[in-house]
Amino acid sequence: AQSVAQPEDQVNVAEGNPLTVKCTYSVSGNPYLFWYVQYPNRGLQFLLKYITGDNLVKGSYGFEAEFNKSQTSFHLKKPSALVSDSALYFCAVRDLNYGQNFVFGPGTRLSVLP
Amino acid sequence: SQTIHQWPATLVQPVGSPLSLECTVEGTSNPNLYWYRQAAGRGLQLLFYSVGIGQISSEVPQNLSASRPQDRQFILSSKKLLLSDSGFYLCAWSDAYEQYFGPGTRLTVT
Repeated sequence: AQSVAQPEDQVNVAEGNPLTVKCTYSVSGNPYLFWYVQYPNRGLQFLLKYITGDNLVKGSYGFEAEFNKSQTSFHLKKPSALVSDSALYFCAVRDLNYGQNFVFGPGTRLSVLP
Repeated sequence: SQTIHQWPATLVQPVGSPLSLECTVEGTSNPNLYWYRQAAGRGLQLLFYSVGIGQISSEVPQNLSASRPQDRQFILSSKKLLLSDSGFYLCAWSDAYEQYFGPGTRLTVT
């Protein structure tokens, strides 16, 4: 079965500092991995994805994530956090061997302090 | 480009009343469609998904049902709402890789 873990409910970082939001996953086949961001009372917005190829994936708003197959991780990173990055972040995995569903992590709330 | 619409944006309904939430997608054909519920601003619970007209898979037994009367239309319904049905309902569609979300409907059952 597929599963996604986001071990931190909350991440606090000072503006200008680097940020990391952690994600680990479990699938039986090759994973498609995603990061989404959600602002209050809004739908989820796509940030980036890993399908195949380079393990370092660059996405929207200066975010990037690194696929690590041996550690089954896909951590989200940004070199310099902005107050406007404060939001709820979701990691998701899709294993096409198991149909059309996406499995989402529980979410991590990021607060960037001015 | 593809667009996904949901309405209404907010809804306040009394316990025991019916529910109908609608989702439509533009700019693509034969999408996979999904309904999620999000409680208390945290995790997503997959309620239903559909791979084609009239094809609905239910992930969680509950007070809700879904229908897909047209290729790009997905409807979430209930005959009698419960207090526990309150939440933020998100519709999504997917292509071969990504999933795209609508703006959501905030449902409050009173």
